[in-house]
Order: sequence, then structure tokens, then C-alpha cells
Amino acid sequence: QVHLVQSGAEVKKPGASVKVSCKASGYTFTTYGISWVRQAPGQGLEWMGWISGYNGNTKYAQKLQGRVTLTTDTSTSTAFLELRGLRSDDTAVYYCAREPTLEPSMDVWGQGTTVTVSS
Amino acid sequence: DIVLTQPPLSSPVTLGQPTSISCRSSQSLLHSDGNTYLSWLHQRPGQPPRLLIYKISNRFSGVPDRFSGSGAGTDFTLKISRVEAEDVGVYYCMQAAHFPYTFGQGTKLEIK
Repeated sequence: QVHLVQSGAEVKKPGASVKVSCKASGYTFTTYGISWVRQAPGQGLEWMGWISGYNGNTKYAQKLQGRVTLTTDTSTSTAFLELRGLRSDDTAVYYCAREPTLEPSMDVWGQGTTVTVSS
Repeated sequence: DIVLTQPPLSSPVTLGQPTSISCRSSQSLLHSDGNTYLSWLHQRPGQPPRLLIYKISNRFSGVPDRFSGSGAGTDFTLKISRVEAEDVGVYYCMQAAHFPYTFGQGTKLEIK
């Protein structure tokens, strides 16, 4: 069975960084990509970026360029999201989602990681 | 960026009756490979989204056949043939034809 298990909730101060992990199981990690999506309280879904599980190629949302970095560790089938320079409007639930390489969609989702930015 | 427009609320529907949700794109979602990467997702309160439909009309594994998708180009529709209580929540369309991927603002299913 395919699972994406994310790291636990984080509370950070403004200006700090956070790194969220997403551990995949039940499929061959390198044959899929991972997208990251966030959802602010009471709001809709916002795509943050995508990383290839095969070669680490990335695409980022322009508004986050320079603050976000996506990486993978293929030895542990884990994807990582790092967000720097945190602001209060980065408070959200962060999701990872598996993305089939040849048919882009988000077919399996992690449980979400709540990141709270507060002084 | 491609803008996907959905109504914020569905038309109120009685359990067991059909309903549909629209999604309009600001530009064509036809990819250079000939496919149209428009998906529908469902999110219940407090849960992550789950994929219902991909490439306009393909039901994802385990999705009941009362869900169907249709459309082409810039206009797409999700239909639920018989609404059940478990269908409550918010429905999002999403395009993966062009980076950056974008989502509609979501449509909340309203039960009478």
C-alpha cells in the first residue's frame, strides 16, 4: 500500500526556517515526483513546488522563489521541504503529494504537517 | 499563471440527487503531449485532499462510479450522480498542464 508519512507539527518564530519531511513507502520512489502544497487556515490549496524523484529536478512557485528548497534522499525514499525567512502568513498545513511522472496529478497525499509561525 | 474559477458553493442538493460543479480555466489545459491534465480533488474537514478524477474523466483507484468528470479546453465539470452524506466537503479542480500548477478556489458541497 502506498503511503506518504510527514514529520510532526512545528512552531517557529518569524525569520526562522523549517524543514518538513515526507517519507514514501509502497512504491518505487524514483519513478514518481513529489509536489508540495500548503493550506492556510480556512483557505484553499496553494501549490508550492515539485521535485522529480528520479533526478531531483525542481520547479517552484514564483512567489516562494529564494525562500523554498525541495530535496530528496533516494536512499530513504524521503522528500524534504525547507522554507526560510518564515512569516506569519506562512502559517499553514503543508502537504506532500505523489505525482506520477507521465500523467501529472496528485494521486496520494501525506497527512499534512502544521507549521505555525508566531512570535 | 493559469486561473481556475469555481463557484464557492454548489447548488443545494438533497441526498440521493445529482449535482455538478464547474471549473473554468483562463487558458487551454491541453498539454503539448496531447493530454489535458485537469484533476478533481475532494477534501473533508480536517483531512488531506484526495484525488477523485484525473485527465478530465479518469476515476482514480477506489473512487465510486457515481463520480464522473467531463469537459475540454477550458470548461470542465464534475458530476455526482447520487449525492451521499460522505460527499460533504470542498471540491477542488487542479491543472497540471503548465507550471506553476494551480487550483481552483474550491466549491463547498451544500446539502439541503
